[in-house]
Amino acid sequence: EAGVVQSPRYKIIEKKQPVAFWCNPISGHNTLYWYLQNLGQGPELLIRYENEEAVDDSQLPKDRFSAERLKGVDSTLKIQPAELGDSAVYLCASSGGAGPQETQYFGPGTRLLVL
Amino acid sequence: AQSVTQLGSHVSVSEGALVLLRCNYSSSVPPYLFWYVQYPNQGLQLLLKYTTGATLVKGINGFEAEFKKSETSFHLTKPSAHMSDAAEYFCAVHGGSQGNLIFGKGTKLSVKP
Repeated sequence: EAGVVQSPRYKIIEKKQPVAFWCNPISGHNTLYWYLQNLGQGPELLIRYENEEAVDDSQLPKDRFSAERLKGVDSTLKIQPAELGDSAVYLCASSGGAGPQETQYFGPGTRLLVL
Repeated sequence: AQSVTQLGSHVSVSEGALVLLRCNYSSSVPPYLFWYVQYPNQGLQLLLKYTTGATLVKGINGFEAEFKKSETSFHLTKPSAHMSDAAEYFCAVHGGSQGNLIFGKGTKLSVKP
């Protein structure tokens, strides 16, 4: 079974430029998460989807970040414009449901460097 | 609100020695607890999880953890460290109605030959 796929794996951009990350969850997983992992920290939730609906985006900086999950499968996370402080790893995860017993499966992440 | 504290940002052991990584949690609801491992430039991989039932949980790669409600702890252990265990380990608690995982800051494990 294929795992969570993310692309690109690495991205280097200059500040004020836009950037987008793509995630393909495990087949059949209705719940999709985007997490932000700063250096030396654990991941923190940015947004959670149940199918195509964003059910928790309270931690997403909406002035510059946006996300979408068309048709309830793939998802894209966008930053526009990027700032130096956005340099981090962006992790996508998926699970079969949102219950507390569900395992969240993580992709390899996209490592963003903003210069 | 839920939170996780991992004691020790860096732990170093010799190959063959006991591995003990500490995790304490705070939760306003019965906790669901997880340990993940992250190898360099990779995503997080589940080692084990506690949901309900038996408090001693066995995971992959010889790791296990014991849920102790009275101590609000969920420490990760392995009897004998291998070089391949060198990685960063994250303890997490389920965030309840929010549906997310709340992670500790991680503990980097080094294994000396």
